[in-house]
Amino acid sequence: EIVLTQSPGTLSLSPGERATLSCRASQSVTKTYLAWYQQKPGQAPRLLIYEVSSRATGIPDRFSGSGSGTDFTLTISTLEPEDSAVYYCHQYGNSPLTFGGGTKVEIK
Amino acid sequence: QVQLQQWGAGLLKPSGTLSLTCGVFGGPLSGYYWAWVRQSPGKGLEWLGEINYRGSTNDHPFLKSRVTISVDTSRNQFSLRLTSATAADTAVYYCARVRAGAYDALDVWGQGTMVIVSS
Repeated sequence: EIVLTQSPGTLSLSPGERATLSCRASQSVTKTYLAWYQQKPGQAPRLLIYEVSSRATGIPDRFSGSGSGTDFTLTISTLEPEDSAVYYCHQYGNSPLTFGGGTKVEIK
Repeated sequence: QVQLQQWGAGLLKPSGTLSLTCGVFGGPLSGYYWAWVRQSPGKGLEWLGEINYRGSTNDHPFLKSRVTISVDTSRNQFSLRLTSATAADTAVYYCARVRAGAYDALDVWGQGTMVIVSS
């Protein structure tokens, strides 16, 4: 199975700063089948990005995704206080579908 | 918009069978695959499998001997059964809609059900 490793484990930034989250796959992700989710405490994950760089419905354009092969990035261009959450990457090109371990974004 | 509401027993004994159901409200079952995912502190998020309205499933290759996903189109709902439960199956279980076709991102999620396996 494809193992997704996310870094850093925790990112502590101030409002208005740029956040860059990394997701590295143990083998190449099929086509562009890589998604990102946001999860806040006590809530289900929320789809942010699918197919590497397509924003899901209602997602602000400060969220963007990029990458290919084994290296992917989620960028939050200008952090808002409500962006405090854990972010997960997810590959769905190979079975079993797998998720990364998450990056926690803290807003100072 | 589509909403998912899930229910089922939150506590079961080791070797028991976990059983959860997810109701689909505000939209049809047809045209989509529907998935189950669990989340535990030890294993993080784990995809368990998916099913479409015709009953065609895509199973987790390592769990398929214990996991059964079924669909009831008359009630617009789908279900998860996991047999021979152990403490390692303690987790929050989520149902979700697969965005487009089989093996895709998950764009609508249920509220989650905490399941504890303990004697």
